[in-house]
Amino acid sequence: LAKTTQPISMDSYEGQEVNITCSHNNIATNDYITWYQQFPSQGPRFIIQGYKTKVTNEVASLFIPADRKSSTLSLPRVSLSDTAVYYCLVGPLGSNYQLIWGAGTKLIIKP
Amino acid sequence: NAGVTQTPKFRVLKTGQSMTLLCAQDMNHEYMYWYRQDPGMGLRLIHYSVGEGTTAKGEVPDGYNVSRLKKQNFLLGLESAAPSQTSVYFCASSFGQAADTDTQYFGPGTRLTVL
Repeated sequence: LAKTTQPISMDSYEGQEVNITCSHNNIATNDYITWYQQFPSQGPRFIIQGYKTKVTNEVASLFIPADRKSSTLSLPRVSLSDTAVYYCLVGPLGSNYQLIWGAGTKLIIKP
Repeated sequence: NAGVTQTPKFRVLKTGQSMTLLCAQDMNHEYMYWYRQDPGMGLRLIHYSVGEGTTAKGEVPDGYNVSRLKKQNFLLGLESAAPSQTSVYFCASSFGQAADTDTQYFGPGTRLTVL
């Protein structure tokens, strides 16, 4: 499966928009991009999934350029409770057993 | 609807002891997974199941065994615990393989320490 690269950590402030970019140069034609969020001492939680262009839900937006070699998770107007680790995963649907979970991006929101 | 639950939440073992971790889901999901997470790292898949009565090895299966006798339960066993198995264990489940159905739902985790 495609290897992903994302920043180890990021800082931002309450009320700001936060963009976390994930690089996946070797993404395959049938691969989807999925983001999970993990709070301390909890299991990961699904945020958003997309294949191309833009996907938006009540929590976040996912921007995927035409070449699909990267993707950007956008969190609008973050709060302290958005402090968490965010994981970018790339793989075909139904391939959960093959997904590679990197260390993720540790996002710290400051007051 | 409790989602995915794990028992116990914490456990301390001595080297060589055995134990079983229980994962239960009430969402009628076909797929279930056991992961371990070490400090500062992502999840690593231990074993998984694509349906009742089936199991398969993941990335790091050595030292662990699993069973899925009932669709809603997935058990992870450590026959002879080693300090290297000190970790946080997460169970997850998913419904299917299509878009909007392969989302994994995770349990709260079991923190295991092997002395």
